[in-house]
Amino acid sequence: NAGVTQTPKFQVLKTGQSMTLQCAQDMNHNSMYWYRQDPGMGLRLIYYSASEGTTDKGEVPNGYNVSRLNKREFSLRLESAAPSQTSVYFCASSEWAATNQPQHFGDGTRLSIL
Amino acid sequence: SQQGEEDPQALSIQEGENATMNCSYKTSINNLQWYRQNSGRGLVHLILIRSNEREKHSGRLRVTLDTSKKSSSLLITASRAADTASYFCATRTTGANNLFFGTGTRLTVIP
Repeated sequence: NAGVTQTPKFQVLKTGQSMTLQCAQDMNHNSMYWYRQDPGMGLRLIYYSASEGTTDKGEVPNGYNVSRLNKREFSLRLESAAPSQTSVYFCASSEWAATNQPQHFGDGTRLSIL
Repeated sequence: SQQGEEDPQALSIQEGENATMNCSYKTSINNLQWYRQNSGRGLVHLILIRSNEREKHSGRLRVTLDTSKKSSSLLITASRAADTASYFCATRTTGANNLFFGTGTRLTVIP
């Protein structure tokens, strides 16, 4: 059981470069999420997709865009990377967003921006 | 911010001892969840407690919720070295589509 798969696992970028983080889930979940985790800050929601075809901003959306490609895949794009976006990025999914269902997480993408 | 706060930030105990960590939050909630994160890995869901519940058990885990104090506690009994991880609480408000995570407690269990 793969669960939630994130690629790449590690990436180093230069300031101003762009990149897309990929996420796929095989649990037939309807809702997907992107978080960033910084030391001492816990997880903060960047964007989420409550269902296929919808996306909404979370707590820290500035500098990011997302695409819900299909029910399985939800990508996060940094158009012009900045050092402040150095972080660990986690993708998660759940059966439905506004329910008591738990979220299932991938193992993260560690992104460094120089 | 609706983000919760865990206390203590770090906890170190001997194997076999009990570990207690606390979570405080700011707004009315629908449910509160606890997650574990091993080093270098994603979060794993442990247990969920609804706002109308006061206590819940799952194996060696015991969670309590006091909505009047806006706080929750997670007790791990008879700890094992494998319990070494960071533990996060997360809250969901009624009608909200997302969770708000706390800052975490780093638990170290010494063999």
